[in-house]
Amino acid sequence: QSVLTQPPSVSAAPGQKVTISCSGSSSDIGNNYVSWYQQLPGTAPKLLIYDNNKRPSGIPDRFSGSKSGTSATLGITGLQTGDEADYYCGTWDTSLSAGVFGGGTKLTVL
Amino acid sequence: QLQLQESGPGLVKPSETLSLTCAVSGASITSSTFYWGWVRQPPGKGLEWIANIYYGGRSYYNPSLKSRVTISTDASKNHFSLRLSSVTAADTAIYYCARMTLGYGKSWLDPWGQGTLVTVSS
Repeated sequence: QSVLTQPPSVSAAPGQKVTISCSGSSSDIGNNYVSWYQQLPGTAPKLLIYDNNKRPSGIPDRFSGSKSGTSATLGITGLQTGDEADYYCGTWDTSLSAGVFGGGTKLTVL
Repeated sequence: QLQLQESGPGLVKPSETLSLTCAVSGASITSSTFYWGWVRQPPGKGLEWIANIYYGGRSYYNPSLKSRVTISTDASKNHFSLRLSSVTAADTAIYYCARMTLGYGKSWLDPWGQGTLVTVSS
């Protein structure tokens, strides 16, 4: 059972927008920055968002992140079939002194 | 360009020790800025953070695995390693190594290695 809670799946049509939520507590998201990872089928995870809302070089601005209180959200606009992947949120848990992830959300672009 | 590559046995017997190495190229593991870490993913399941280490000694462990895990660095070979003892079938997973930025509430893993599948079976 993951420390952070994500919906198991989301779906939307090409060109549309989708959001993925990540819920935690005061010991993790509430007091630390959130990162997001994209895992395409059969590949290693790739950093998508760090420090709640920053994009690494090469990540298109269709991807965005936000945080409020003990929850974070990943937004993807202009959906493409190539965005079909599993998405994970992650952060540091100050109480555990450990990294934690969400259970992952499978995005389907219909 | 920084690259990480995992290596180690793909098959480990139950009750034995799993040992993996992550070779780092394009940067030194002695960097004062970064940690080096391990994450695993059981087949068809989500990510689980295992441990990370800062060159010079400071390390952090997943509380659920701490009693069985050792993470270490080798500056002469520019690699870091993971040892997981007393393995069971539940430890079957793809094991990833990654560079970790950690500090002042910030944490992220980038880049990641391609991962290596370790199966625990007799």
